[in-house]
Amino acid sequence: SQQGEEDPQALSIQEGENATMNCSYKTSINNLQWYRQNSGRGLVHLILIRSNEREKHSGRLRVTLDTSKKSSSLLITASRAADTASYFCATDAFVRGKLIFGQGTELSVKP
Amino acid sequence: DAMVIQNPRYQVTQFGKPVTLSCSQTLNHNVMYWYQQKSSQAPKLLFHYYDKDFNNEADTPDNFQSRRPNTSFCFLDIRSPGLGDAAMYLCATSRVREKNTEAFFGQGTRLTVV
Repeated sequence: SQQGEEDPQALSIQEGENATMNCSYKTSINNLQWYRQNSGRGLVHLILIRSNEREKHSGRLRVTLDTSKKSSSLLITASRAADTASYFCATDAFVRGKLIFGQGTELSVKP
Repeated sequence: DAMVIQNPRYQVTQFGKPVTLSCSQTLNHNVMYWYQQKSSQAPKLLFHYYDKDFNNEADTPDNFQSRRPNTSFCFLDIRSPGLGDAAMYLCATSRVREKNTEAFFGQGTRLTVV
């Protein structure tokens, strides 16, 4: 079974707006990762946040982690049409080497 | 430079006819994963290898098997494909010791069952 849920399942915004996606998970974790997938392609790693970190930034990406609520959020600032993709969170479920994905958010950025 | 290579990109197989999907990596990563992804769904972990240790997910059907003859190669065998096995199959690798690091994905093999 999948580790967690993401919301919203789909998000449509205008270019220049910010996009926020949320992820919840069920078990203890060592870290949480976010990935992006363009239609019909493999996944690309965006950012990893460790369980002892609360916030991390990478370019236009900001990730937060709340281990007490077992949740994370991904913020994409100043979105671009090229950000249109599906975004997934993934955790190790506290098992070495394991990597399981949440349900994903399909982001559409309109020019 | 391709780092995780899946062959073929598209595979058509007949109902019930065994099929093998291949994955190779040039990263020398110790962990390799196989995922099944159906349309508009999340990748579902089928199994992963941590070094030589094979880890099968509890809900992976018996119809699916895997082999990892060496660090670089991993195979997914579907013994008797059914129509419900039509999906994108994704291979990924990661360098993991005590904790996970980022995973690198291949472009996937899209399997059609006719």
